[in-house]
Parts: sequence; structure tokens; C-alpha cells
Amino acid sequence: SQQGEEDPQALSIQEGENATMNCSYKTSINNLQWYRQNSGRGLVHLILIRSNEREKHSGRLRVTLDTSKKSSSLLITASRAADTASYFCATDSAGGKLIFGQGTELSVKP
Amino acid sequence: DADVTQTPRNRITKTGKRIMLECSQTKGHDRMYWYRQDPGLGLRLIYYSFDVKDINKGEISDGYSVSRQAQAKFSLSLESAIPNQTALYFCATSDTAGGGQPQHFGDGTRLSIL
Repeated sequence: SQQGEEDPQALSIQEGENATMNCSYKTSINNLQWYRQNSGRGLVHLILIRSNEREKHSGRLRVTLDTSKKSSSLLITASRAADTASYFCATDSAGGKLIFGQGTELSVKP
Repeated sequence: DADVTQTPRNRITKTGKRIMLECSQTKGHDRMYWYRQDPGLGLRLIYYSFDVKDINKGEISDGYSVSRQAQAKFSLSLESAIPNQTALYFCATSDTAGGGQPQHFGDGTRLSIL
């Protein structure tokens, strides 16, 4: 069963715009992680936010976590064509075992 | 060289064949995982191992088996392949330090079963 539900399933924007992806989950978590997957490649870890944190930044990425609503969002600012990829949230509820969402396909047009 | 290496990268085989997918890592991590990815379904956990003597079933272990030959090696076997096991398979590793750790993925094995 999937823990995370991601929204939207697909997103198309122009270079320079911001992209926001949302993730909702069902059970309590220790942490939530976001990953990127370029076509034909493995997943790459982007950022981890712990259950006692509300917001975290890494370069052009901003992640928020609302444990009361069981939701998280990933914001990519000033997007570039190279940001075109699929983005997945993953929740860690039990000691390192991750459950992944279905992903958001982001297309950034030059 | 990649930290997590999967072999083969692509494999086409027939129904009923036994197949082994291999994963090796140079990260020195104790924890290793096998996932499968199907279009629109994200990644689903098949098996995981938190150290050499530890093997655990994941969400979808039926039809699969694993072997942890060493800290650095974790192989996945399909004893008698069937077409609905056609998918992209990923191996991943993580450290055991507390507080949650990111996973590091190989580039995957694309498996087609005819």
C-alpha cells in the first residue's frame, strides 16, 4: 500500500517559474524525504525533514511539513530546464524503511 | 565509479526462467534494499536487510528471494519469472546512524519477461 499521495501527478511550467508539489500521508512518521528521478536513472535524495521540523531549505528547494495535516510540500524556486524530472516523497515511519508516493512529473520548458 | 552498482542494467528473459539481479556498494552501509518500480505506482519495497545476518520481507516479496552475501553485496532472485514481474528494479543502501538517513540508489535494472 502507498503511504504517500502526491499532487499534482504532472506539472508543466516555464523556466524561471516556481514549482510546488504536495505530498499527503496516512500514519505518523519519524521523517519525510524528497527524491528526484531523472529519466532512466536511480532516485537521488534531495532533502530530509524530521517530524519535529516545520520547514527546511536547501539551495532553491524549500520543504514544509505539517504533521497535524499529515502533509508536506516541496517548492523549487526559479526552475530550470535541468529540473525536469519525477519527484517522490517518502515517509519513514519505522526505523529506516521508506514508503514512497507515486510521484509528480515535472516538466520545465525553456 | 558509482557507489551503488546494479548488474545487469537490462535483461530480457522468458517466463519460467530463474533470474538473479546483483547489487554491490562501496559506501560501507549496513542497510540494503530492493524495490521495484512500475509506471504510476512509485517504488514498492520487495526485501530489505539491515545487516549481513538480517533479511526482511517488504510489501511485495512473493515470487522473490534475496541473499546478502556480504556487507557490500545484496542479490535479488526471481525463482520462476512471470510476465507481471516486468518492471524496473532498484537497489538502495543507507547508513544506520539514528534520526533517519537518506537512501542511495543504483541506476536500476530494466527487466522484461516475455
